[in-house]
Amino acid sequence: NAGVTQTPKFRVLKTGQSMTLLCAQDMNHEYMYWYRQDPGMGLRLIHYSVGEGTTAKGEVPDGYNVSRLKKQNFLLGLESAAPSQTSVYFCASSRDSTYGYTFGSGTRLTVV
Amino acid sequence: TQLLEQSPQFLSIQEGENLTVYCNSSSVFSSLQWYRQEPGEGPVLLVTVVTGGEVKKLKRLTFQFGDARKDSSLHITAAQPGDTGLYLCAGGTGTASKLTFGTGTRLQVTL
Repeated sequence: NAGVTQTPKFRVLKTGQSMTLLCAQDMNHEYMYWYRQDPGMGLRLIHYSVGEGTTAKGEVPDGYNVSRLKKQNFLLGLESAAPSQTSVYFCASSRDSTYGYTFGSGTRLTVV
Repeated sequence: TQLLEQSPQFLSIQEGENLTVYCNSSSVFSSLQWYRQEPGEGPVLLVTVVTGGEVKKLKRLTFQFGDARKDSSLHITAAQPGDTGLYLCAGGTGTASKLTFGTGTRLQVTL
């Protein structure tokens, strides 16, 4: 089915380890986003991209890096994981905000 | 920082009851969207409203955008257990198509 695919679905990291979350969309959308969802905090924007080769900081970018080398892929990296980065991470893509976002099913990350 | 506050945070009702969820902000948005999220899944778009005062109906769900484009409401008529989930409003400003999300209303509908 067309949509947004996130991998992995679950991951446990030790403090200080690094990892990359993968997001792929097959809808030819220009815009892609990474959000984190925490209880009582809602969805907060980490980084976003307005097209291939572009990235920009969102509301909570510290401790994360991103890359968009290909239009269909948006990668989120954690260089040195911290317990505060324990969260559920969602990737989304959009043709335009008026048309809404298509979300992936999320990655549940636990940092111990 | 634009904020969207939703109320109530939690709502537990019985099948057949009506309910209204509110989404309020001090900021003006160019569009307002509502999403529903089920456990273990990402949010799914329900509706987008773009004109102040606009009303959209989706079966038993009625969405309204405030005249000043700062607030919105979601009304559900005759709620069913299948309506259970987390309802999120999101406001767009047009800049990079970014959306600001509300904190959500968790709805539980029981038989």
